[in-house]
Amino acid sequence: QVQLQQSGPGLVKPSQTLSLTCAISGDSVSSNSAAWNWIRQSPSRGLEWLGRTYYRSKWYFDYAVSVKSRMTINPDTSKNQFSLQVKFLTPEDTAVYYCARDLGVIYSLDYWGQGTLVTVSS
Amino acid sequence: DIQMTQSPSSLSASVGDRVTITCRASQGVSNYLAWFQQKPGKAPKSLIYAASNLQSGVPSKFSGSGSGTDFTLTISSLQPEDFATYYCQQYSIYPWTFGQGTKVEIK
Repeated sequence: QVQLQQSGPGLVKPSQTLSLTCAISGDSVSSNSAAWNWIRQSPSRGLEWLGRTYYRSKWYFDYAVSVKSRMTINPDTSKNQFSLQVKFLTPEDTAVYYCARDLGVIYSLDYWGQGTLVTVSS
Repeated sequence: DIQMTQSPSSLSASVGDRVTITCRASQGVSNYLAWFQQKPGKAPKSLIYAASNLQSGVPSKFSGSGSGTDFTLTISSLQPEDFATYYCQQYSIYPWTFGQGTKVEIK
């Protein structure tokens, strides 16, 4: 049974950097068949896919163009987890952030973390 | 970006009703289309992948169909636990995009 456990702050100040972590159990961040995603959800923007990372002999990273310049996804094989960093936060980044697994282009997103409500406010 | 448009945005139905939700993509996505169910305060739950394949553990009252730009999700006999918001998602072309959601409420 795959489980994804998210951790990170709920309140961040504008212009600061958000860091969230997704700990994986029941699978491996360096699996040759899985990919690891970040998605966020807000009332104004709905569900928004942010990016993913996966390992196929080397690490690959794909990001939504809208956030690419401010966002980094990092796998951590020593802790079997992956993280999301978003720089230069604005109130528009206020959302529930989710991590999720996909098993390639056939299966889409099958397991999700519990979600983290991140509020950007001074 | 590919726009995903769901209809209706909301519907009221009774227990036992057959419910159909449609999803239209602004360009063809082949069969790279998934459906999710979300209840308040919870993460989305995967129901269907590749347009018509049931995720493991999902009851057979859920079914999906379509290819290209037009897709449907059908719930054959609505039960109390099925009242939720449903989303479609294309994973054919980056960025992956979601529909705006269809809220299924109790009549």
